[in-house]
Amino acid sequence: DAGVIQSPRHEVTEMGQEVTLRCKPISGHDYLFWYRQTMMRGLELLIYFNNNVPIDDSGMPEDRFSAKMPNASFSTLKIQPSEPRDSAVYFCASTPDSLNSGNTIYFGEGSWLTVV
Amino acid sequence: KQEVTQIPAALSVPEGENLVLNCSFTDSAIYNLQWFRQDPGKGLTSLLLIQSSQREQTSGRLNASLDKSSGRSTLYIAASQPGDSATYLCAVVTSGTYKYIFGTGTRLKVLA
Repeated sequence: DAGVIQSPRHEVTEMGQEVTLRCKPISGHDYLFWYRQTMMRGLELLIYFNNNVPIDDSGMPEDRFSAKMPNASFSTLKIQPSEPRDSAVYFCASTPDSLNSGNTIYFGEGSWLTVV
Repeated sequence: KQEVTQIPAALSVPEGENLVLNCSFTDSAIYNLQWFRQDPGKGLTSLLLIQSSQREQTSGRLNASLDKSSGRSTLYIAASQPGDSATYLCAVVTSGTYKYIFGTGTRLKVLA
């Protein structure tokens, strides 16, 4: 399997622009997670889905952030409008089953976002 | 609210040393704890997963232990090598939740 695939790998955008990050989870994985990593705050969970349904979005920072999972093989994280403080690495991850079942979690290589 | 702390934040050792990385968590009611490795510019790779009923897990030169009651885990790396240089993160899944909470990581540098 190709693993979790994220795009774009790097993006530089101007403040106020819309940013869309994309993720393809590992085939057959029922859970998908979006994390954000910064030097100041480390890795933070933004939202996770189970069978394409958002389960916990309590980590989404504000209304400028939205995430969708229209089908089992694709998810997007959108920031509109973007701000410089959104600059971070955004990771997508997936697992075959619930994390309390002892499953490991597989991460993509991240999308490095810089908002200028 | 679960909080995960890792000490030290950074560590530099000569090649061949045995070393211990520490992870502590505030809520001992966990399903499992996992150690990850992150190389610069890369995602996270799972190293060892310890379920709540287990005390330790081993893989090659790595050994992770879990003391749930005291809220602590250690990652032991034997005979360290320059290729072990990376950031090591621990994460826990608290009972009643289905998500990992990550520590801030230990940045390890092994000198040749």
